[in-house]
Amino acid sequence: DAGITQSPRHKVTETGTPVTLRCHQTENHRYMYWYRQDPGHGLRLIHYSYGVKDTDKGEVSDGYSVSRSKTEDFLLTLESATSSQTSVYFCAISGSSGGYEQYFGPGTRLTVT
Amino acid sequence: DQQVKQNSPSLSVQEGRISILNCDYTNSMFDYFLWYKKYPAEGPTFLISISSIKDKNEDGRFTVFLNKSAKHLSLHIVPSQPGDSAVYFCAASAGSNFGNEKLTFGTGTRLTIIP
Repeated sequence: DAGITQSPRHKVTETGTPVTLRCHQTENHRYMYWYRQDPGHGLRLIHYSYGVKDTDKGEVSDGYSVSRSKTEDFLLTLESATSSQTSVYFCAISGSSGGYEQYFGPGTRLTVT
Repeated sequence: DQQVKQNSPSLSVQEGRISILNCDYTNSMFDYFLWYKKYPAEGPTFLISISSIKDKNEDGRFTVFLNKSAKHLSLHIVPSQPGDSAVYFCAASAGSNFGNEKLTFGTGTRLTIIP
């Protein structure tokens, strides 16, 4: 299994508070991604990174920001959490397998009350 | 606009029989396709992939078929086993640059294998 960890694994927060989720990899992969999974929508890309300090928006980026100051860490911040951001968040990495495969972390379940 | 569609939210198959999961896509630029398997409370795991230059790829009990003219792919699992019970996601990529490709996922099909 790819060395990807996510923290926290579960979080409950109140509407309007900022939240930061962390993704850490030990594979030295160049590319990192943040997705959210919701019923009826599958996995949707929020933001991705193609190198340190190089990031770009995905399909559902509104309300989210990211930062990558080191190869191994990719942070996702909800600037002011809303109930619509209650979801399961997955980090993924890619870049060394010879194909387009992405490898996923275990996920963070976020509940915004 | 859902560019990758899995029209069957769920599928039940008897153990030992063949499971066939289907996926349709609309973007003609997609040139690489992947299947992922997901158990509850875990991240998706890569299962098998196929390039658009092929129409079939096989790995053990898993075979993926691609019909480019119909913009359709399917995953066959033979024989189906109880451990195959999971949610299966189809994904597609439209890029040619190695490693930075964004994947577009379908909504998933929940496969249940009946003992």
